[in-house]
Amino acid sequence: GEDVEQSLFLSVREGDSSVINCTYTDSSSTYLYWYKQEPGAGLQLLTYIFSNMDMKQDQRLTVLLNKKDKHLSLRIADTQTGDSAIYFCAEMPSGGRDDKIIFGKGTRLHILP
Amino acid sequence: GAGVSQSPRYKVTKRGQDVALRCDPISGHVSLYWYRQALGQGPEFLTYFNYEAQQDKSGLPNDRFSAERPEGSISTLTIQRTEQRDSAMYRCASSPSGWAGGPPDTQYFGPGTRLTVL
Repeated sequence: GEDVEQSLFLSVREGDSSVINCTYTDSSSTYLYWYKQEPGAGLQLLTYIFSNMDMKQDQRLTVLLNKKDKHLSLRIADTQTGDSAIYFCAEMPSGGRDDKIIFGKGTRLHILP
Repeated sequence: GAGVSQSPRYKVTKRGQDVALRCDPISGHVSLYWYRQALGQGPEFLTYFNYEAQQDKSGLPNDRFSAERPEGSISTLTIQRTEQRDSAMYRCASSPSGWAGGPPDTQYFGPGTRLTVL
């Protein structure tokens, strides 16, 4: 079956690094995503990683993929108050044949002053 | 340019009424997706279109739910005889092109329609 699991809450002090973890079940998933949801706003795609990669870096964001363990993580360096949001891990299962995305329940990132 | 828009942003209805939720995708986007997001949950896939063709409706929970995209642009998600369990945020997304064997295009999400069934 298709399932994406992630912890529900994370608190981090401003300036520290945030690491949000996720596990997924579909070994045929070709693409894995991180989306950000801010209050009252739509879902914003932060980054995605192809399954044949193990790392992708984009400015303050680093995505690590362990395909053997089906584990995905998002690291946000120098966390700022503007990073406060819900972060969704998501996969495109079935090799992308049907384009639907399976989302986790989201991790709420809280920034401590 | 304009992003994905949805209307209404909020809809309160009584149990048993029909509702129609509208999605205006980004102009020129080929693919359009509907998701439902319950409180405290991630978005759940409902259905999607390439142009006017409904490619996958496996996520629609039952036959009270239907969607159309008659001219390959605006889409309407209709829920007939609404029930309280239908209360959720309904999100629409569009992407420039459908799956063609290469990297998938970004799905751009709208702000959603929050449906409350009393």
